[in-house]
Amino acid sequence: GAVVSQHPSWVICKSGTSVKIECRSLDFQATTMFWYRQFPKQSLMLMATSNEGSKATYEQGVEKDKFLINHASLTLSTLTVTSAHPEDSSFYICSARVNTGASRAEAFFGQGTRLTVV
Amino acid sequence: AQSVTQLGSHVSVSEGALVLLRCNYSSSVPPYLFWYVQYPNQGLQLLLKYTSAATLVKGINGFEAEFKKSETSFHLTKPSAHMSDAAEYFCAVTFTGGGNKLTFGTGTQLKVEL
Repeated sequence: GAVVSQHPSWVICKSGTSVKIECRSLDFQATTMFWYRQFPKQSLMLMATSNEGSKATYEQGVEKDKFLINHASLTLSTLTVTSAHPEDSSFYICSARVNTGASRAEAFFGQGTRLTVV
Repeated sequence: AQSVTQLGSHVSVSEGALVLLRCNYSSSVPPYLFWYVQYPNQGLQLLLKYTSAATLVKGINGFEAEFKKSETSFHLTKPSAHMSDAAEYFCAVTFTGGGNKLTFGTGTQLKVEL
């Protein structure tokens, strides 16, 4: 199957600083990527849909100025958590969709990033 | 609007016993349905998917699921549980033209005991 790589796998940062998380599709092109947030023992909550070459579409209640998404190429989307606070500590997961072929409609997930803000 | 409901946030089975994880969906249009597994501090791995072809879908690691339109269900089964199956399982739904935005269930934690 297609491979999505997410980096870093974990990060600890000080309150008030910004953190960038990268999501790469390694062996396919992804015009659309998705960013999720997962709280402990809970399901995945879609934060935003990242569209290559255009602005991301944010879900209701997600602050677009706090969670900056850039999708500058067909293989890379980034999520930047700006001015991070302890309540932003969470597990962030990206996914990418294969556009064509037998895997169409299937989403492939990165391994996730554990963010801890201290 | 589409949604999935996973009955039972925790399921415990003995090693070698049948695994049954329940998922019911709600969708006004024909759905695509997925089961994912998540191990601690990792992303999601696709177990299997239903995309309007065969209603009985076989996936990896011996798992399978059957799409039953009349019951709006897509339950996940495995004939014989293995210790390595202990993980969190998520059912998810999307539909054609839905932009592939997945809607996830709340998850079921599977525990396998000796």
